[in-house]
Order: sequence, then C-alpha cells, then structure tokens
Amino acid sequence: EAEVAQSPRYKITEKSQAVAFWCDPISGHATLYWYRQILGQGPELLVQFQDESVVDDSQLPKDRFSAERLKGVDSTLKIQPAELGDSAMYLCASSLVGGSNNEQFFGPGTRLTVL
Amino acid sequence: AQSVTQPDIHITVSEGASLELRCNYSYGATPYLFWYVQSPGQGLQLLLKYFSGDTLVQGIKGFEAEFKRSQSSFNLRKPSVHWSDAAEYFCAVKGAGTALIFGKGTTLSVSS
Repeated sequence: EAEVAQSPRYKITEKSQAVAFWCDPISGHATLYWYRQILGQGPELLVQFQDESVVDDSQLPKDRFSAERLKGVDSTLKIQPAELGDSAMYLCASSLVGGSNNEQFFGPGTRLTVL
Repeated sequence: AQSVTQPDIHITVSEGASLELRCNYSYGATPYLFWYVQSPGQGLQLLLKYFSGDTLVQGIKGFEAEFKRSQSSFNLRKPSVHWSDAAEYFCAVKGAGTALIFGKGTTLSVSS
C-alpha cells in the first residue's frame, strides 16, 4: 500500500540551528500539505502545494520557515533559526488533487525537539 | 471562521462498552467532515468522512458517525470498544480552501 514517507522521524536540535524535514508523497498526488501539531493540539496547516506551486502559506512564519517542492514531487520544509516554540510534530499529507472530496493521506511525521 | 470543537479532552471507557466522542463544528456552508485517529508517535489515519447524503456514515474499524446539521455536530460512535482503540481522535472540517481544520483532539483510554 502506498504511503507518505517522511524523514527524519525524530530530530533534536539546539535553538538558533537550522533544521530540514523531507516528505515524499504518494506517487501521483498533486497536492501536498505540511501541518504542525503542537503537543496536545490538533494539526494546523503551514503550507499547501499544488504541484510545485504554493497555494496557501498564510500560516507559515516566513521569517524563519521555508518550504519548497521544486519538481512537484517531494518537498522540504526548513526552519532557520529554530526556536524553542518550534518543538512539535511536523506532518506531511498528500492528496490526488486539492478538491474538497479528496482524502488526505498523512505520513508518520517528524518529531522536532528544540533545546 | 471555520472551527471545530471537541469538548472532551480525555475519555476512559471499559473494554466492550460503547463509545461516543463529541464534535461540534462552525462552518457557513455545507461542511465536509472527517474523523481521524492517531496512535502515539504516528501520523493520522482516516476513520470516516461525510460529504453529503446519508447522515449516518460508516467507517473503518467498526466506527460510525452521525451528521446533525441542526446541532452542528458530527459525533463518532462505536458499539463495543477494544483495547486497541486507545488512541487520540481528531475531528476535522474542510476549510475554505482544501486544507483541514482540526479540533484539539480527544484522548481515549480503554480499561480492562
């Protein structure tokens, strides 16, 4: 069964360092989402891609976060510099297209701890 | 603005007992509603979804949910809980775009 892949699964870093997370969506899925899930909360959208284009990054803290999906397949989310408040689970999801009735499939997530 | 409220932070149910997890949404148009389950350290798995039609929706693992427009609710139910159902459950609504807006989740514990 096709799955969304994410790496690393866990990342510990010190504040002010740079970190990067990688996501490989299910083959053929044009829409890719990055969500952030703070402990005890539900996931919140950071950025959405349709192919290689950003559709929604209104909640992405652009002073320190960046995301790219250069070839419209896999994606990288970067934080530079990391802050203590960035400690969270970062979830990647993909769907065939961005329509409202298309199921989003989630990867296992990257658990980030900032010390 | 769209929002989802899950009133219960933590629920404990005896194995074999019935379960109901509450979800209330705020959305102007016809909502697209979802329930996801998350096991510790894992991603989210879709249990069921409602787009239109029959207001009682069947999902995987024996779960069902009922959409009640008059109450703005989409409660999740299961007639007999198994120990393996212990996890965190999230209700979500599709926002104005296509991203999901999640509630804060309900943690389910199952006692023997």
